[in-house]
Amino acid sequence: EAAVTQSPRNKVAVTGGKVTLSCNQTNNHNNMYWYRQDTGHGLRLIHYSYGAGSTEKGDIPDGYKASRPSQENFSLILELATPSQTSVYFCASGDWGVGTLYFGSGTRLTVL
Amino acid sequence: QEKVQQSPESLIVPEGAMVSLNCSFSDSASQSIWWYQQHPGKGPKALISIFSNGNKKEGRLTVYLNRASLHVSLHIKDSQPSDSAVYLCAVSSGGSNYKLTFGKGTLLTVTP
Repeated sequence: EAAVTQSPRNKVAVTGGKVTLSCNQTNNHNNMYWYRQDTGHGLRLIHYSYGAGSTEKGDIPDGYKASRPSQENFSLILELATPSQTSVYFCASGDWGVGTLYFGSGTRLTVL
Repeated sequence: QEKVQQSPESLIVPEGAMVSLNCSFSDSASQSIWWYQQHPGKGPKALISIFSNGNKKEGRLTVYLNRASLHVSLHIKDSQPSDSAVYLCAVSSGGSNYKLTFGKGTLLTVTP
């Protein structure tokens, strides 16, 4: 089964600080995604990428940047973290066009 | 922007019962519809997908799609306590620019 690894599993940050969430996949999938999950909102797409060097805005990109330096790695960057960004963040990967998305186990981020 | 609505929000059933979960979506041009299962503290895991009108059966799972009414349902036969989880409906779009839009989920509890 496809493997998607996220780090860290838990993170506490201060308001105004910079946070980087990392994701690695070992299945050579073209597409990678960052979602956040909040009670009452479900999973919402922040950024995605369909190959190394590309990033695309999802449905809620404000306050987030993404970086895809290689096929395997996709990072989510919060330059100036705010308490409203407290959430559980999931990374996923999948192939073009059709197919299953494979999710990591999530990163729980708390911004104080 | 695609909208995905799920009902009910939560459901409690006894072991062995048939479970029915509902999902409606807004874009008639949507491609496949997916159902994901998410256990506490874990990432979502794909269960079953459907593209064409009609039904599809895999093991204890049956999914029904009606594109005219923009409605899809998931039925779980002979439910087990291990089926207790959040069930997420997701609609795919975009071809090579592929992404999933998720509903808020249904929390299923199967009591022994």
